[in-house]
Amino acid sequence: QKEVEQNSGPLSVPEGAIASLNCTYSDRGSQSFFWYRQYSGKSPELIMFIYSNGDKEDGRFTAQLNKASQYVSLLIRDSQPSDSATYLCAAYPNDYKLSFGAGTTVTVRA
Amino acid sequence: DGGITQSPKYLFRKEGQNVTLSCEQNLNHDAMYWYRQDPGQGLRLIYYSQIVNDFQKGDIAEGYSVSREKKESFPLTVTSAQKNPTAFYLCASSIRPAPTDTQYFGPGTRLTVL
Repeated sequence: QKEVEQNSGPLSVPEGAIASLNCTYSDRGSQSFFWYRQYSGKSPELIMFIYSNGDKEDGRFTAQLNKASQYVSLLIRDSQPSDSATYLCAAYPNDYKLSFGAGTTVTVRA
Repeated sequence: DGGITQSPKYLFRKEGQNVTLSCEQNLNHDAMYWYRQDPGQGLRLIYYSQIVNDFQKGDIAEGYSVSREKKESFPLTVTSAQKNPTAFYLCASSIRPAPTDTQYFGPGTRLTVL
């Protein structure tokens, strides 16, 4: 079982809609979770991090964490064509290693 | 202008050659990391360093070597023992090697074996 799994995608949404990305993790001791955005051919850039159960909002982005279900999600509201990218979920278990999912590719249709 | 720099941006290697990828940061971060990314896959950890003069193997260290002689620098050597080195290599750093500290990435080096 992979440490971090993401819905495989690709995910296609119309402009202005909500994009919902899901991620599950296997290590129940994972303490923190990160969402990175990666444009084609570029390096990942941080969107959000979340440590506590519940929701965390930053502009059009909302991260949701449910430690009991070992589930973390990212919602992108009012999706824009510039949001078209691959989104990487990462979890930090009880060592020094950040484990990444394979990513979900999002395409926003104008 | 703080950040992480990687060079070169593109690198071509012949079979049997060792090549060294550069990673420099001026963020005063203690921890540095090297990842490899293959098409359609997530990032896999090659090596990481928590402090100067110390480094640890990650999940896929075979065929790679690193050094950490200065806080700012963490070069990665891809040796001829690495059988399939064609990939996108990403260097990252964080203030500390702690779960609450975000890892920030450099622009990457794309290595191709000819």
